[in-house]
Amino acid sequence: NAGVTQTPKFQVLKTGQSMTLQCAQDMNHNSMYWYRQDPGMGLRLIYYSASEGTTDKGEVPNGYNVSRLNKREFSLRLESAAPSQTSVYFCASSVRSENSPLHFGNGTRLTVT
Amino acid sequence: LAKTTQPISMDSYEGQEVNITCSHNNIATNDYITWYQQFPSQGPRFIIQGYKTKVTNEVASLFIPADRKSSTLSLPRVSLSDTAVYYCLVGDQAGTALIFGKGTTLSVSS
Repeated sequence: NAGVTQTPKFQVLKTGQSMTLQCAQDMNHNSMYWYRQDPGMGLRLIYYSASEGTTDKGEVPNGYNVSRLNKREFSLRLESAAPSQTSVYFCASSVRSENSPLHFGNGTRLTVT
Repeated sequence: LAKTTQPISMDSYEGQEVNITCSHNNIATNDYITWYQQFPSQGPRFIIQGYKTKVTNEVASLFIPADRKSSTLSLPRVSLSDTAVYYCLVGDQAGTALIFGKGTTLSVSS
């Protein structure tokens, strides 16, 4: 099993460009999450999906949209990238049950110039 | 606001025991406490989880006092490879907004 797979690993965008970060898990998990990580800021929750067909905003949703395409896939879209969105983005998943731990991907490093 | 507060950084030497404390004054009755470890250029990974008293696994121990307003991650005899960022997470179940704090950067020297 691959676990949580994120693509691409690296991306450089110009201000105003759009792109979609892809995340897929093969563990049959119900819940999926998108976090961003900036130096000194820890992990901040952007959006999450408790189960297929539902999505909810996290701490820092502005400038992002998400799609829970099916149980396996949860994508994050930047419609008009800004330099403030330069960050490392992590996708995570878990079984939707009490206290199930999160399983993380290895991240997408995004630079917006 | 993050539910948890941890020291920003800690330093240690190989072979020492390291204790990292996390404060979570507003912990709810149904919340569990989970610790994650993150190496550079990798996603965080699960270390240990507990609800009350003490939990031990092959990697670490977790101590939780009766009032559950704090918890302490204990790493016995650390090595250089334990240099990482450690996050304490408080939450009741997956599928809800799980908010991380800023973590503790542990540096182990020889």
